[in-house]
Amino acid sequence: QVTLRESGPALVKPTQTLTLACTFSGFSLTTSGVCVSWIRQSPGKALEWLARIDWDDDKWYSTSLKTRLTISKDTSKNQVVLTMTNMDPVDTATYYCARTLRLGLEYYFDYWGQGTLVTVSS
Amino acid sequence: DIVMTQTPLSLSVTPGQPASISCKSSQSLLRSDGKTHLYWYLQKPGQSPQLLIYVVSSRFSGVPDRFSGSGSGTDFTLKISRVEAEDVGVYYCMQGAHLPYSFGQGTKLEIK
Repeated sequence: QVTLRESGPALVKPTQTLTLACTFSGFSLTTSGVCVSWIRQSPGKALEWLARIDWDDDKWYSTSLKTRLTISKDTSKNQVVLTMTNMDPVDTATYYCARTLRLGLEYYFDYWGQGTLVTVSS
Repeated sequence: DIVMTQTPLSLSVTPGQPASISCKSSQSLLRSDGKTHLYWYLQKPGQSPQLLIYVVSSRFSGVPDRFSGSGSGTDFTLKISRVEAEDVGVYYCMQGAHLPYSFGQGTKLEIK
């Protein structure tokens, strides 16, 4: 059974760095074609893809946020970590991690965590 | 970056009636594998998004056959043949053809 769970602070102050962890089970991030992505959703807004890390440790980022984002994995812990620097109130959102499967050139998010709400406020 | 535009942004449908959502991309989503990388997700109230349709028209595991996807190039449609109460939520199209991935604004489906 595939599960993902996001964890991290519920509240961060402006200019601080946010660190979120995605702890998963039911699959391995060493298996070819398996990736994990981070997606966020500001209150009442649409989904925004942030980053993806692949089984071979390739990393991909949102164009607009790539200078602030770092994604990494710890396969021994079955964990993917996302850091976002210089947080701003506009970064207030629910942050989701999702298993991302590659089939050929197809990449799709087949399992999602329940999301974690991060509020940026002083 | 590719911009995804959905219409309408909201939809109110009587149970048993059909529903249709349009999605347009600012660039072609056709890749060198010959497939068009357009996906549909549904976010039910209070839940995480779930995959409905991949590569335009393939239903994901467990998705009822009342859901169908069609389209090509830059124009796509999600159809629900007979809406049921459990179909309420926000529907998002997403392009997976080019990084960064991008989603449409979402279409909120309500039941009359």
